[in-house]
Amino acid sequence: DQQVKQNSPSLSVQEGRISILNCDYTNSMFDYFLWYKKYPAEGPTFLISISSIKDKNEDGRFTVFLNKSAKHLSLHIVPSQPGDSAVYFCGDYLSGGYNKLIFGAGTRLAVHP
Amino acid sequence: EPEVTQTPSHQVTQMGQEVILRCVPISNHLYFYWYRQILGQKVEFLVSFYNNEISEKSEIFDDQFSVERPDGSNFTLKIRSTKLEDSAMYFCASRLTGELFFGEGSRLTVL
Repeated sequence: DQQVKQNSPSLSVQEGRISILNCDYTNSMFDYFLWYKKYPAEGPTFLISISSIKDKNEDGRFTVFLNKSAKHLSLHIVPSQPGDSAVYFCGDYLSGGYNKLIFGAGTRLAVHP
Repeated sequence: EPEVTQTPSHQVTQMGQEVILRCVPISNHLYFYWYRQILGQKVEFLVSFYNNEISEKSEIFDDQFSVERPDGSNFTLKIRSTKLEDSAMYFCASRLTGELFFGEGSRLTVL
């Protein structure tokens, strides 16, 4: 059974500090993972992705790390800003042709002053 | 910046009624999706669509659901006979390469 798990439902971080959001997976079809951010009453917004040929991908304040042996990925946000307060979902494609992207349950990040 | 647009933003309907949710994907995208999020729960995959055919569907996407691309720009989700448990936010998404781009969602309330 292919699953994506985000075991921390919430995270609270002080502004300026690092936020680390974690995601574990069981069996990935492509080892290609995506992170999305979601504000209330809005659609998910793509943040950053990583594929199996890399163990790290960086885009500005956002860095995603992939540990294939541990089947674990993490999203680092540094420095954290109040506008980063949202729910973060990691996603994994489960089927051939990228037909089915499934998400973890999400982690609610609160960045406070 | 191109975006996925969805209408209506909110629809209230009576149980048993048919509902059509509409989406205009990004114009050069080829793959289309519907997801839903019941309040407080995760974003769940419903169906993917490519080349005028369903590519994959979840167990949620039963015979009460259908999708259609009636013309070159719209992508619709129809629920034939709504149930109370269909109340959710429904998100349309499209992609050209690896990442999906989502619309703002349509909130469906079934009374």
